[in-house]
Amino acid sequence: DAMVIQNPRYQVTQFGKPVTLSCSQTLNHNVMYWYQQKSSQAPKLLFHYYDKDFNNEADTPDNFQSRRPNTSFCFLDIRSPGLGDAAMYLCATSTLRETQYFGPGTRLLVL
Amino acid sequence: AQTVTQSQPEMSVQEAETVTLSCTYDTSENNYYLFWYKQPPSRQMILVIRQEAYKQQNATENRFSVNFQKAAKSFSLKISDSQLGDTAMYFCAFNAQGGAQKLVFGQGTRLTINP
Repeated sequence: DAMVIQNPRYQVTQFGKPVTLSCSQTLNHNVMYWYQQKSSQAPKLLFHYYDKDFNNEADTPDNFQSRRPNTSFCFLDIRSPGLGDAAMYLCATSTLRETQYFGPGTRLLVL
Repeated sequence: AQTVTQSQPEMSVQEAETVTLSCTYDTSENNYYLFWYKQPPSRQMILVIRQEAYKQQNATENRFSVNFQKAAKSFSLKISDSQLGDTAMYFCAFNAQGGAQKLVFGQGTRLTINP
């Protein structure tokens, strides 16, 4: 089945230690998104790629970076995680201006 | 800027009952999409139903249907014959057809189906 896959499902890191979260998709969608979701809140868009065109949200901290080496993969890099970055990170994909399909998420814990 | 408001933070009904979740939105766009997403506890966010603004007919997916009132900017979700598996956080979301690829979410409604 076509799907959005996120690895790992759970990630524990230390304060200030860089961490990378991974997203892959078999849907062949040209848009990929990264959201941050804190407990009982709505997802907050961090950035998205339309093909290789990177679009950053104005309020996304510089601590968050992203890479999309090809259509199938997208990475979220957190350069120096703080305690406030502990959250669920959701990857989603879509075709242009169509329905977004979400992955299962990666829960990040910062110690 | 577009905003989406869900005025019911929590709801609780008995199994087999019908429940309606409210959503209002604000936009100056004429062409857009509206969605209801479901996020069960510790599980994946999945699409429940989608409505294109240009369509007057309300979308329906099995036990799930919407009441889309474009002039009132209202988009409620009705769940008929509710089941225990419907227990989840429900998010209403908006996406303008033109412009940025941004999905604007409401604050969510936590729905509990009781046996």
